[in-house]
Amino acid sequence: EPEVTQTPSHQVTQMGQEVILRCVPISNHLYFYWYRQILGQKVEFLVSFYNNEISEKSEIFDDQFSVERPDGSNFTLKIRSTKLEDSAMYFCASSEFSGGAHEQFFGPGTRLTVL
Amino acid sequence: QQQVKQSPQSLIVQKGGIPIINCAYENTAFDYFPWYQQFPGKGPALLIAIRPDVSEKKEGRFTISFNKSAKQFSLHIMDSQPGDSATYFCAASVDGATNKLIFGTGTLLAVQP
Repeated sequence: EPEVTQTPSHQVTQMGQEVILRCVPISNHLYFYWYRQILGQKVEFLVSFYNNEISEKSEIFDDQFSVERPDGSNFTLKIRSTKLEDSAMYFCASSEFSGGAHEQFFGPGTRLTVL
Repeated sequence: QQQVKQSPQSLIVQKGGIPIINCAYENTAFDYFPWYQQFPGKGPALLIAIRPDVSEKKEGRFTISFNKSAKQFSLHIMDSQPGDSATYFCAASVDGATNKLIFGTGTLLAVQP
């Protein structure tokens, strides 16, 4: 069964450093998302991406964040200068359609630890 | 208005019991209501979903009940098993350009053998 994959599974970084989280969405999916989950809290929407551009972003997704689909398979989330409060699980998700079939499939996540 | 309120925060049932998790929303534009199951260290996995034109949907041992007028929906797990022990999240979205999911705060379910 196709699945969303994410790398790395765990990333440890120093405050102020740049990190790039990588995702490979399901191959025929067109809509891509990043969510984050601070330990013990709910999953929060960060950004959605379609047709090579951001379609919506949340308040959390400030200028320190960016997303990119550098090729036909990868979808990345970059945090330019990490802060302690960026420590969280980051989940990539993808869906086939928008409207009519909302099913979003999530990857296993990347645990980001900012020291 | 974008919030989805979920209760209870945690739930313990005996094997074979029927745990019920409730969610409520304010935004009447929401038109898709999925439930996700999450095991420790894993990503949320889609369990079952419902749209407001249906009052109930059943898939295997999982049933969603939906009350449009009350703006509430709930998940029932029939004949619960220890393997169902996980965190359950309800969510909601609006059919549109992004379909971003707004998640509830989660319910930690423990099914005791």
